[in-house]
Amino acid sequence: EPEVTQTPSHQVTQMGQEVILRCVPISNHLYFYWYRQILGQKVEFLVSFYNNEISEKSEIFDDQFSVERPDGSNFTLKIRSTKLEDSAMYFCASSRTEQSSYEQYFGPGTRLTVT
Amino acid sequence: DQQVKQNSPSLSVQEGRISILNCDYTNSMFDYFLWYKKYPAEGPTFLISISSIKDKNEDGRFTVFLNKSAKHLSLHIVPSQPGDSAVYFCAASALFQGAQKLVFGQGTRLTINP
Repeated sequence: EPEVTQTPSHQVTQMGQEVILRCVPISNHLYFYWYRQILGQKVEFLVSFYNNEISEKSEIFDDQFSVERPDGSNFTLKIRSTKLEDSAMYFCASSRTEQSSYEQYFGPGTRLTVT
Repeated sequence: DQQVKQNSPSLSVQEGRISILNCDYTNSMFDYFLWYKKYPAEGPTFLISISSIKDKNEDGRFTVFLNKSAKHLSLHIVPSQPGDSAVYFCAASALFQGAQKLVFGQGTRLTINP
C-alpha cells in the first residue's frame, strides 16, 4: 500500500541553524501539507501546497519557514534559523482531490530537537 | 484555538465491548470530519471520514455519527480489540469553503483491556 515517507526520523540541530525536513508524498496525490505537534499539544496545521505554490498557511508559518517541491517526488520544509520553540514532531501529509478522496495521509514524522 | 474539542483525555474499555469516542466542534463552517488513530512514534493513520451531508458512515468495525445541530460527532468501535489501543484524534475541515487544513482535537487515549 502506498505511504508517505519522511526523512530523517530524528534531527538534532543548534539554535540558529537551518534545517530541511524531507517528505515523499504518495505518488498520485496532488495536495501536500506540513503539520507539527509540540510535545503534549495538538497537531497543528502549518501549510498546504498545490500546483507548485502555497495554497494556505497558518500564523505559525512565518518568514522563517518555506516549502518546496524540488522535483516530481520530494516535498521539503525548510526552517531558516531554528528556535528552541521549533522543537516538535513535524508531519508531512498528502491527499488527492478526486471526489470522496479528500482524506489526508500522514507520514511517520520527523522529530526535530533544537538545542 | 478550541474549535475542535475532545473532552475525554482517556478511555478504558473491555475487549469485545463497544468503544465510543466523542468530539465537539464550534465552527459551523466545518463540513468534513475525520478520525485518525495514532500509535507512539508514528504519524496519524486515517480511519474514517464523514461529510456534513451525511449523519452516519460505516466501515467494518468503525462507525462515525454526526449530529450537526449539536455540533457533535462520535466514533464507535465494535467489537473493541487490543490492537485498537492508541490515541484517537478527531479532525475537521471547511472543505467546501476552499480550506484544506485539518483542525485537530486534543486526542483521546483508548486502552482496550483483555
